[in-house]
Amino acid sequence: GENVEQHPSTLSVQEGDSAVIKCTYSDSASNYFPWYKQELGKRPQLIIDIRSNVGEKKDQRIAVTLNKTAKHFSLHITETQPEDSAVYFCALSGGYNKLIFGAGTRLAVHP
Amino acid sequence: DTGVSQDPRHKITKRGQNVTFRCDPISEHNRLYWYRQTLGQGPEFLTYFQNEAQLEKSRLLSDRFSAERPKGSFSTLEIQRTEQGDSAMYLCASSPSGTDTQYFGPGTRLTVL
Repeated sequence: GENVEQHPSTLSVQEGDSAVIKCTYSDSASNYFPWYKQELGKRPQLIIDIRSNVGEKKDQRIAVTLNKTAKHFSLHITETQPEDSAVYFCALSGGYNKLIFGAGTRLAVHP
Repeated sequence: DTGVSQDPRHKITKRGQNVTFRCDPISEHNRLYWYRQTLGQGPEFLTYFQNEAQLEKSRLLSDRFSAERPKGSFSTLEIQRTEQGDSAMYLCASSPSGTDTQYFGPGTRLTVL
């Protein structure tokens, strides 16, 4: 079945630095790639998504890039703040639009 | 709160007991998904409903698991004869037709002793 590999599993940055998380996948039929943020004990929250007909999307300090040929997509967070600390999950859509998630990246932003 | 709601938020049960969880999706969302999330992992797909029809079930959903969405609104997930390996967070998500975006509920954390 479809598989998503997410790297790194943990990421520690200083406040103000940038953070990049990358995911690779195998099924070329996927056409929807969301990113979710999950704080401890809370529900996953959609922060940005991208569809296969575009290569890049930006929303304030967050951007996502997609390379369908190489089958990878990345989350970029600029000017990180302590409140960005959380676990971030990449995902892609499978049949019936079910989401297939990566294993997550625990991001720690140190003041 | 007009988001996805789940009940109960926490459930502690003894091995061998049956448990049932409820999910209320966002109003008029015809698609409903159940996922399971274990510690340190991403959510894993369990099953999908479009209105009242259950259209897909994961191989993770053994015959001890059953889900329903009788009127195409709320959904229930029942686990019979619980095992310690069933301990996890059970997440529900809903989505309106015509979009890929899924909105998650707060989850039900199940602990099987």
